[in-house]
Amino acid sequence: DSGVTQTPKHLITATGQRVTLRCSPRSGDLSVYWYQQSLDQGLQFLIQYYNGEERAKGNILERFSAQQFPDLHSELNLSSLELGDSALYFCASSVDVAHSLGEQFFGPGTRLTVL
Amino acid sequence: ILNVEQSPQSLHVQEGDSTNFTCSFPSSNFYALHWYRWETAKSPEALFVMTLNGDEKKKGRISATLNTKEGYSYLYIKGSQPEDSATYLCASPGVDSSYKLIFGSGTRLLVRP
Repeated sequence: DSGVTQTPKHLITATGQRVTLRCSPRSGDLSVYWYQQSLDQGLQFLIQYYNGEERAKGNILERFSAQQFPDLHSELNLSSLELGDSALYFCASSVDVAHSLGEQFFGPGTRLTVL
Repeated sequence: ILNVEQSPQSLHVQEGDSTNFTCSFPSSNFYALHWYRWETAKSPEALFVMTLNGDEKKKGRISATLNTKEGYSYLYIKGSQPEDSATYLCASPGVDSSYKLIFGSGTRLLVRP
């Protein structure tokens, strides 16, 4: 158990809908990262937050947004869902160390299926 | 090299064999190289974070070396066991932002009993 929690574990929804994925980092970790793993694709970095502020952005679609709250939990919002958004979404957290020197602890992931 | 690349894509070995695989990464503006182990139906778990050229790290039967000047790292598993079967990922910070990790596509290892 990494100490990172994600809910829900599975989510099945229809095209055009909007969903929210939730992540609670390890106690004491200020940095939260979101990744997407689609079928036959590697882990793709989406976005990073540090202590409530967006720090780095990957190839995140405009239909996706995220935020980190004062209690440090984070939410990833996916809207106008398309079939291609079906994927495993991971959240990770780390002790904040510059230049990605800190190992990341991954949550169990949320499997999103868009029908 | 602009991306993080891993080879081979997959590897099947017999229990007891020693094996190794490669991660190539951009050598300019190097900060760190991460190795993660990802078992099926679980989430990635950190093995090593390496920062210094010539660095060598070890955890049990698994070890890794780092060459930052030429941009590669090797992961070695000595005496593979069936429980070593997993996908091994390496990652390095992006050249445009050191706060985002770029993952390779992984080496899938299957150890036959």
